[in-house]
Amino acid sequence: DQQVKQNSPSLSVQEGRISILNCDYTNSMFDYFLWYKKYPAEGPTFLISISSIKDKNEDGRFTVFLNKSAKHLSLHIVPSQPGDSAVYFCAASGDSGGGADGLTFGKGTHLIIQP
Amino acid sequence: GAGVSQSPSNKVTEKGKDVELRCDPISGHTALYWYRQSLGQGLEFLIYFQGNSAPDKSGLPSDRFSAERTGGSVSTLTIQRTQQEDSAVYLCASSPHPNQPQHFGDGTRLSIL
Repeated sequence: DQQVKQNSPSLSVQEGRISILNCDYTNSMFDYFLWYKKYPAEGPTFLISISSIKDKNEDGRFTVFLNKSAKHLSLHIVPSQPGDSAVYFCAASGDSGGGADGLTFGKGTHLIIQP
Repeated sequence: GAGVSQSPSNKVTEKGKDVELRCDPISGHTALYWYRQSLGQGLEFLIYFQGNSAPDKSGLPSDRFSAERTGGSVSTLTIQRTQQEDSAVYLCASSPHPNQPQHFGDGTRLSIL
C-alpha cells in the first residue's frame, strides 16, 4: 500500500503563474516531510522541508503547507519559471529526518511550465 | 564537485551475473542511504548506514542483495545472481546527520538482459 500519494502524474502551468503540487499520506507516524525536484538522468535535489510542528515553511519562491488533520501537504511555487519544469517528489519520514527507516516517497508529479 | 558520487553511471549485464555499485558520500556526512527507483515508481528505501554501525538489512528486497560501508565512508551495494526485475536506477544519498535532508547522487542505471 502506498503511504505517500501524489495523485497527479503531471501538471501544466503557464510561466509566471502559481504551481501547486499536492501530496497525501496515510501514516500518522510521519513527522517530517520534504519535497525533492528531479531532472532526467540526475538524482533528486532537495527543495524544502517541514516538520509536523509547523503548518507552513517558506523559502524564496517555494512554500510548503502542511495540514496534519487532513494528512495533506502541498508545494506552492510562485512565480513559476521555465527551469521549474521537472518531476517533483514528496517524501516523508517518521523519525524526524529519515534514519533507520529512510524516506518514503510518492511516485512524483511531472510539472511542465509553458511559456 | 563535492556532491555524492556514484559509479558506474550505467551498467548492463546478463541475468545471473553479480554486480557491484559504489557510492562516495559527501565528506563528513555520517548517514548514508540506498534507494532504488523502478520505471514509473517512486524511490524505494533499501538500507541505511549511520557511521560504522551495522545496518538494518530488513529493507533489502531479497537475500541476493547486500551492502557494506567501509571506514564510515564509501559504500557498495552488491546484487548476486541478478534477475530482470532488478533493473532500476539505484540511488545513494547522504546527510550530515539522520535528522537533516538527504543529498542524492545521480544514480546507477542497472539493466539486466
